[in-house]
Amino acid sequence: SQKIEQNSEALNIQEGKTATLTCNYTNYSPAYLQWYRQDPGRGPVFLLLIRENEKEKRKERLKVTFDTTLKQSLFHITASQPADSATYLCALDDDNYGQNFVFGPGTRLSVLP
Amino acid sequence: GAVVSQHPSWVICKSGTSVKIECRSLDFQATTMFWYRQFPKQSLMLMATSNEGSKATYEQGVEKDKFLINHASLTLSTLTVTSAHPEDSSFYICSARELTGGLFEQYFGPGTRLTVT
Repeated sequence: SQKIEQNSEALNIQEGKTATLTCNYTNYSPAYLQWYRQDPGRGPVFLLLIRENEKEKRKERLKVTFDTTLKQSLFHITASQPADSATYLCALDDDNYGQNFVFGPGTRLSVLP
Repeated sequence: GAVVSQHPSWVICKSGTSVKIECRSLDFQATTMFWYRQFPKQSLMLMATSNEGSKATYEQGVEKDKFLINHASLTLSTLTVTSAHPEDSSFYICSARELTGGLFEQYFGPGTRLTVT
């Protein structure tokens, strides 16, 4: 069966450290994968998109990797700050460049001062 | 990035009444919009895909007669929860996708918190 998993429901790290979140998928062949940030009571906000032929994508303190062999994407936040505390969702297209996106359950990140 | 708005941001209604939620794409045209529902501490669940000028496509298990979707223009989709019950209380989020460089980037509205008493 098809499945998207994110490494843990919650992750606590110390301010200044690098947060690493994992997204694993089974029985999908996504052409691209996206990461979103969601704050409580708000809609998700798009952060980064990475295509299947890209190994890595960066945006300021954010870095995403995509390994289609491992069927895994890693999302890194370097020099983390308390303001980075939020839920992070990965999403992938489930029909190869189609419009159908499927979301992972999310990881709730808490950056402790 | 593109902006999607929702109205209202929260609503409380009595059981048996209907509630309409609006979703607008503010600076781009969206031929397709999406409606999600999210329960506390859970991920987004796609309810339906709203297509401009045609009928919405509903996900399995979502009652189309209960959740009426109208996509009257390229910038507006509405979700009406008919005969609402307490179990319909949830966070409803719409999204629209913009084609950029051959890929869809998805933009979400801020969500509408529905509480049915």
